[in-house]
Parts: sequence; structure tokens; C-alpha cells
Amino acid sequence: QVQLVQSGAEVKKPGSSVKVSCKASGGTFSSYAISWVRQAPGQGLEWMGRIIPILGIANYAQKFQGRVTITADKSTSTAYMELSSLRSEDTAVYYCARVVPAAMAYDYWGQGTLVTVSS
Amino acid sequence: QSALTQPRSVSGSPGQSVTISCTGTSSDVGGYNYVSWYQQHPGKAPKLMIYDVSKRPSGVPDRFSGSKSGNTASLTISGLQAEDEADYYCCSYAGSYTFEVFGTGTKVTVL
Repeated sequence: QVQLVQSGAEVKKPGSSVKVSCKASGGTFSSYAISWVRQAPGQGLEWMGRIIPILGIANYAQKFQGRVTITADKSTSTAYMELSSLRSEDTAVYYCARVVPAAMAYDYWGQGTLVTVSS
Repeated sequence: QSALTQPRSVSGSPGQSVTISCTGTSSDVGGYNYVSWYQQHPGKAPKLMIYDVSKRPSGVPDRFSGSKSGNTASLTISGLQAEDEADYYCCSYAGSYTFEVFGTGTKVTVL
């Protein structure tokens, strides 16, 4: 059974950075793409970017270009999402999700990590 | 890239059918057969209900079905049940530059 377990909630100051982890178990980590999706309070889902661990190649949504970095450590089956220059609008639950092989959909999701940006 | 357009809410009585639309453009919904649908209960992570426009993952009841016509995709829930009350989001691939775009979300209420 595939599981994605994310790191715990964070409280950050405006202008700082946050790094959220997503540890996978029960599957072949390197073979699947992992995406990051966020959800602001009371709002919808927003795609941020993705990485294919076996290739180490990441792609990002235009909106987050230059502010987000997605990496993966194959040795620990863990993906990371780092968001910099945080502002209050970045307060959200951040999810990692595994991409269904040969499809553009997400079959397994992490439990979500609440990041609160507040002075 | 703008979010795909969904109705804010739909409702139905138990046993009825409801359909949620998801309208995009020829650059996303209309250009690829990579539309997926997610169900999200309050405080929970989204759950995949439909992928590749109309395919159901194992374990998803066949009451849930998906289709697409032009730039609009649809999710139909037949035989509505109380546990179907949730938020639903569509998502479409939008090419190798934009990648993914989600819909605005629809709240389904079971009356």
C-alpha cells in the first residue's frame, strides 16, 4: 500500500522560506512523478510543480517560478518542496501527490502540511 | 493560466443524479484527454474519482462517471448518496509549459 507522509505544520515569518517533505513508502519511488498542490483556506486546489525522481527533472507553474524548488532524494524516497519569499497569501495546506503512471492524475496524496505565514 | 470553470454548487436528493461541468479551453480540456476529478471532504486530502476523462480507479463506485465534449468535461454522480456530499475538483493537463490546471471547485449537497 502506497503511503505519502508529509512533515508537520509550520509557522513562518513573511520573507522567510519553508521546506516541506513528503516521504513515500510501499511503492517504487523513483519511477513516479510527484506533484505539489496547495490549498489556501476556503479556496480551491492550485498546482505548483512536479518532479520525476528518476530523472531529477522538475517543472513549475509559472506563478511560482523563481520562488519554488522541488527536489527528490531517491535514497530516502522523499520529495521536498521549498517556497521562498513567503507572504501572507502563501498560507495554505500543501499536499504532495503521486502521478498515476501513463496518466496525468494523482492517485495517492499526502495528508497535507499547513504552512502559516504571519508576522 | 486561469482555473477551469465549475459551478459553485449543485444539489440533489438521495437517489437522484447530478452533473458537474468543467469548462476550459482548447489549450487544456479540449486539447487533451487528461481530465481527472477529485472528491474532497472537509479537512481531508483529495481523492481521485475519475482520470483520463472517463476511467474509474479501482474502488470508486460506478455511480461516478466522466465524459467530455469540446472544451467542457463533466462528472455525473448517479444514485446520489449522503456520503457523496463533498467538494469536487476537475483537473486538466495543459501542455508541457503550463502542465496542470485545476477547476474552481463545486460543492455537492445532498438534500
